[in-house]
Amino acid sequence: GQQLNQSPQSMFIQEGEDVSMNCTSSSIFNTWLWYKQDPGEGPVLLIALYKAGELTSNGRLTAQFGITRKDSFLNISASIPSDVGIYFCAGQAGGGADGLTFGKGTHLIIQP
Amino acid sequence: DTAVSQTPKYLVTQMGNDKSIKCEQNLGHDTMYWYKQDSKKFLKIMFSYNNKELIINETVPNRFSPKSPDKAHLNLHINSLELGDSAVYFCASSQGRKAFFGQGTRLTVV
Repeated sequence: GQQLNQSPQSMFIQEGEDVSMNCTSSSIFNTWLWYKQDPGEGPVLLIALYKAGELTSNGRLTAQFGITRKDSFLNISASIPSDVGIYFCAGQAGGGADGLTFGKGTHLIIQP
Repeated sequence: DTAVSQTPKYLVTQMGNDKSIKCEQNLGHDTMYWYKQDSKKFLKIMFSYNNKELIINETVPNRFSPKSPDKAHLNLHINSLELGDSAVYFCASSQGRKAFFGQGTRLTVV
C-alpha cells in the first residue's frame, strides 16, 4: 500500500523559532492535507492542498504541494506555546471516498 | 456545535465482549469514515461509507462491522473484543477532499 514518510519525528525548539516539516510519498497524491492533534483530541485540519505547486497559508502556517505530487511541506513561523502538538500530513490518491493515508506525525515541543 | 461527535469518549471492557461506538455528523457530508490510531499515534483508515454504501474495507478483521442507519450516522460494532483492539478510534466525515474528525473513542480491552 501507499506509504508516507514524515520527518522529523520530533522537534524541540525555542519559542519564536520557525518550524519546518515534510512528507514524501512512494506514489502520487492528488490532495495533501495537514492536521494538528492535541492530547485527547481528534486531528484538526490546518491546510488543504489540491494542485501540484500550490502554496497556501493559514496565519503563521504555510504549506506547499510538491511539483512531483509526491511530497509536501509545512512551515510554522514564529512558534508560540500553543503550537505544541502532533502534526500529521495526509494524502489522498483518489476522490473523497478513498480515505486518507497518514504520515506518522511530527511531535512539536516548544521550550519557553 | 460539534460537527462530528462520537460516543462514548472512553470505553473499558473485557476481552470477548461486544461493544459499539456511535458517530454522528451534522455537516451534511456524504462520506463517513472510521480510523484507528494505535499506541504510536499512527492513524489508519478502517472503513468509509458513501451514501450508505461501503466503499473501502481495509484489512480489518470481520469482528469489526460498520453500520450506517442514515447519511449522518456511522456506528462501529466490534464483536469478541481482543486485547489488540485497544486503541483510539476516530470517526470522520468529508464532502469532497477535506475530512473532519471527531474527538475519538479510547477503547481499552482488559
